[in-house]
Amino acid sequence: ETGVTQSPTHLIKTRGQQVTLRCSSQSGHNTVSWYQQALGQGPQFIFQYYREEENGRGNFPPRFSGLQFPNYSSELNVNALELDDSALYLCASSLWERQVDSYNEQFFGPGTRLTVL
Amino acid sequence: AQKITQTQPGMFVQEKEAVTLDCTYDTSDPSYGLFWYKQPSSGEMIFLIYQGSYDQQNATEGRYSLNFQKARKSANLVISASQLGDSAMYFCAIRRYSGATNKLIFGTGTLLAVQP
Repeated sequence: ETGVTQSPTHLIKTRGQQVTLRCSSQSGHNTVSWYQQALGQGPQFIFQYYREEENGRGNFPPRFSGLQFPNYSSELNVNALELDDSALYLCASSLWERQVDSYNEQFFGPGTRLTVL
Repeated sequence: AQKITQTQPGMFVQEKEAVTLDCTYDTSDPSYGLFWYKQPSSGEMIFLIYQGSYDQQNATEGRYSLNFQKARKSANLVISASQLGDSAMYFCAIRRYSGATNKLIFGTGTLLAVQP
């Protein structure tokens, strides 16, 4: 069973630039969630993708956008980077089955550490 | 709205001793799930234990147990027989029990240091 992977592991950008982070979900999972974890804080939910559509979003501006592909991998795109976007970005995958509709454990990747200068 | 409060920024424990990490929560949802995650310095969030709001018994997973007191809205994590490898950040989190949106609300975490 392949776990959740993320790329790149580290990234340095300057203010105003755009960035794309990538996530490969665990085998058999159909849902991907993205979280932002600022230094010294707990992760904050950005959004979730289920079957290639966004189906939940946290309190983040529209310059945070995403995609999910048919193989359930996902991208997080951030436009017009700001200094406060410096953080660890975590991707988590899970399996949601509509007919079961119970809690579904999320498996997290190792994260991408983004630094905005 | 849901909220998690972890009041212990840092904790020390001697190796082989037990330690309790505190977590209180606030939610208006009738059913919900509570989670504990471990985050080593590598950054990955490692799932430890889950408690559903309607579960009658406290959850246990090996050396981890969850002291769930629903009336007090607390979900403390107990680690028995601490090991050096337990040194890490520990996060408590809550989510709605069901539904497609798997949104976890995390607390600010507790840094646990296990001393030899």
